[in-house]
Amino acid sequence: DVVLTQTPSTLSATIGQSVSISCRSSQSLLDSAGNTYLYWYLQRPGQSPQLLIYLVSNLGSGVPNRFSGSGSGTDFTLKISGVEAEDLGVYYCMQATHAPLTFGSGTKLEIK
Amino acid sequence: QVTLKESGPGILQPSQTLSLTCTFSGFSLSTYGMGVGWIRQPSGKGLEWLANIWWDDDKYYNPSLKNRLTISKDTSNNQAFLKITNVDTADTATYYCARIDSSHYFDYWGQGVMVTVSS
Repeated sequence: DVVLTQTPSTLSATIGQSVSISCRSSQSLLDSAGNTYLYWYLQRPGQSPQLLIYLVSNLGSGVPNRFSGSGSGTDFTLKISGVEAEDLGVYYCMQATHAPLTFGSGTKLEIK
Repeated sequence: QVTLKESGPGILQPSQTLSLTCTFSGFSLSTYGMGVGWIRQPSGKGLEWLANIWWDDDKYYNPSLKNRLTISKDTSNNQAFLKITNVDTADTATYYCARIDSSHYFDYWGQGVMVTVSS
């Protein structure tokens, strides 16, 4: 199975600060058709996860543009440019290039 | 408006079969490229993918659960189902269903249903 390693496991930020979360894959997530099935989700406390980013860098529907995704191959990054209070929660990366689908272990964002 | 809602037994005993239903609206599982996935989350822990079913009835399972999983759908009634046989306390979790729209994996999620396995 593909292992996704997220760092850091916990992140503390002030309002307005920019932060980045890393997701490293044990295998390349580029498939033979040239697609990279890497996703980012946010799970706010007590809520279901919500899609933030699909296919590495595409913003999900209704997601604020302070969120951005980048990367290729095995190294991916989620950046929040100007953290807001509503951004607190746990962020997960997920890959769907290789079966079975796997999630990273999560990064908890706390607001100072 | 896309919505999904999971339903299940709440509590069941070890060795029983867990049957979950996902009732959705705002899309059809007969539409090309559409799918529904099941994901679970033990309390305080991370997410684990279980299975996907697609518009063409293709099915994919997490091999870590070996042959315990069966996913199915009722397109006419906008429902998807997941059965897990021979449950154990390790299957205690919140179970989510989520939509897949082509390469938009899990773009809409249900609220989740808590399932407890206890004797």
